[in-house]
Amino acid sequence: DAMVIQNPRYQVTQFGKPVTLSCSQTLNHNVMYWYQQKSSQAPKLLFHYYDKDFNNEADTPDNFQSRRPNTSFCFLDIRSPGLGDAAMYLCATSTYRQSNEKLFFGSGTQLSVL
Amino acid sequence: SQQGEEDPQALSIQEGENATMNCSYKTSINNLQWYRQNSGRGLVHLILIRSNEREKHSGRLRVTLDTSKKSSSLLITASRAADTASYFCATDTRGSTLGRLYFGRGTQLTVWP
Repeated sequence: DAMVIQNPRYQVTQFGKPVTLSCSQTLNHNVMYWYQQKSSQAPKLLFHYYDKDFNNEADTPDNFQSRRPNTSFCFLDIRSPGLGDAAMYLCATSTYRQSNEKLFFGSGTQLSVL
Repeated sequence: SQQGEEDPQALSIQEGENATMNCSYKTSINNLQWYRQNSGRGLVHLILIRSNEREKHSGRLRVTLDTSKKSSSLLITASRAADTASYFCATDTRGSTLGRLYFGRGTQLTVWP
């Protein structure tokens, strides 16, 4: 089945140790998103790719970077994780015509920072 | 920045009752979407309503949109214990850079058997 896959499901890293989260999709969607969601809070948009065009949110810390080497894959790099970066990280995809169509989410990666 | 804000933050009802959740937003939109999230999982799309639509139905779901009041409501009829989840509205802001979709804080719905 076509889907959005996030690996790993759970990730534990140490304070300050770089970590990479991955997302792949078989939907061939042109837009890919990364959201950060802390406990009982709204998913917060970090950045998104519209095809190869990278769009950063103004309040996304420089500590967060992203790569999209091809249509299918997108990576979230956290260069120096702090305790405040512990959260669920959600990848999503969509198509964009005249406006956003529905988003397809992966199951998320729960990041713990020790 | 976030666009939508859901109300109430938490809702607790008995099976068979209807559940109504509201969403308010700040700026003009292209469409508004509702999503469901089970604990610790990703979000699942429920329904999308465009700015030129006023009401939409999907199974036990009914969504309304009032662009003059910048608000939307999600009604779940004849609720079931399996409907227990968090429900989020998300908006696609008109005139924003292509592709942005912002979520509200969500309503935590608990349906008791």
